[in-house]
Amino acid sequence: DAMVIQNPRYQVTQFGKPVTLSCSQTLNHNVMYWYQQKSSQAPKLLFHYYDKDFNNEADTPDNFQSRRPNTSFCFLDIRSPGLGDAAMYLCATSRVTQGSKEQYFGPGTRLTVT
Amino acid sequence: AQSVTQLGSHVSVSEGALVLLRCNYSSSVPPYLFWYVQYPNQGLQLLLKYTSAATLVKGINGFEAEFKKSETSFHLTKPSAHMSDAAEYFCAVNPGAGGTSYGKLTFGQGTILTVHP
Repeated sequence: DAMVIQNPRYQVTQFGKPVTLSCSQTLNHNVMYWYQQKSSQAPKLLFHYYDKDFNNEADTPDNFQSRRPNTSFCFLDIRSPGLGDAAMYLCATSRVTQGSKEQYFGPGTRLTVT
Repeated sequence: AQSVTQLGSHVSVSEGALVLLRCNYSSSVPPYLFWYVQYPNQGLQLLLKYTSAATLVKGINGFEAEFKKSETSFHLTKPSAHMSDAAEYFCAVNPGAGGTSYGKLTFGQGTILTVHP
């Protein structure tokens, strides 16, 4: 089945130690998104790629970066994780065509910062 | 700019009872509307979507929602709750044909549904 895959599902990192979360998709969608979701809150969009074009949300901290080397893969890099960055990170994809704008989500990566 | 309001951060029902989760939106153009469900430590799963076709939309797991333009609402219902429906539900909006987004969604704050035996 076509899907969005996130690895790892659970990630523990130390305060200040860089960490990379990965997302891959077999849907061949042209848009990929990264969200941060804290407990009992709605997902918060960090940035998205429309094909190779990177679009950062205005309030996304500089500590968060992303790479999309090809259509299938997208990475979230946290350069110096702080305790406040502990959260669930969700990757999503969509195909932006007329009349179809739903997003398909991966299972998420739960990040713990010690 | 569009926004979404979900009335009630927590809803509790008995098994077999009607489920009603409320969602109101604001949008300057006819929007696309979505309901997602999230189980603990999982991603979001699409329940159903409204894309300007039928105003009554049927989704997975017996859920449905009705788009009411006059009330700017898109409430989610299920006639008979099941224990497995316990989860968090998010309403989301995207500008429709007149929008300039790339499919970006604006989410409501979520409603946690508890189902009692």
